[in-house]
Amino acid sequence: SSELTQDPAVSVALGQTVRITCQGDSLRSYFAFWYQQKPGQAPVLVIYGKNKRPSGIPDRFSGSNSGNTASLTITGALAEDEADYFCSSRDNTGNLLYVFGTGTKVTVL
Amino acid sequence: EAQVVESGGGLVQPGGSLRLSCAASGFTFSNSGMNWVRQAPGKGLEWISFISSGSGTRYYADSVKGRFTISRDNAKNSLHLQMNSLRADDTAVYYCAKDYYEDGVDVWGQGTTVTVSS
Repeated sequence: SSELTQDPAVSVALGQTVRITCQGDSLRSYFAFWYQQKPGQAPVLVIYGKNKRPSGIPDRFSGSNSGNTASLTITGALAEDEADYFCSSRDNTGNLLYVFGTGTKVTVL
Repeated sequence: EAQVVESGGGLVQPGGSLRLSCAASGFTFSNSGMNWVRQAPGKGLEWISFISSGSGTRYYADSVKGRFTISRDNAKNSLHLQMNSLRADDTAVYYCAKDYYEDGVDVWGQGTTVTVSS
């Protein structure tokens, strides 16, 4: 099936490191894209491909992939990083082009 | 800077139709695939449609196949989504999103809200 599973919520102390994971069969074949979405705003791409960051995205955001799991790590979390984070990848079932993860709410304490 | 701006959302009755538009700027639109992605209230993101740069390839999610039609006008740097036979579960914010080499989407608009209700 076309699913990418994420933990619903995680919390991190200000300045500490948090890792968000995304699991799904499609990740064995395709890289994950990671998006940050703040309330009432459009998603913003933060990581794509093999740990690439778009222009303007701070280097405290990094990505990794292993088997059927992709991870987004925020090293030295800031208050402004509090948001929902969604993963996405190409779908490998033929039913969709892209599948999105269920989303993780990151709270910075 | 690449930008996309959606328009055309609104309130429509079940069974009705609506046409969304997306104006693109800051990148070579005619070279880019484009997508529509939606987000129902309080829910996650759902990819619903893709169109290739020259309109030769179009994909749809099963949830909208046969009811929605994606199109583009490269001369006007615009993308469209014709939505017919709308249902309550089509209520969502609809995002226009630039495609990145059919690996994902990299630029999002602010979205336009579609509400299907009687």
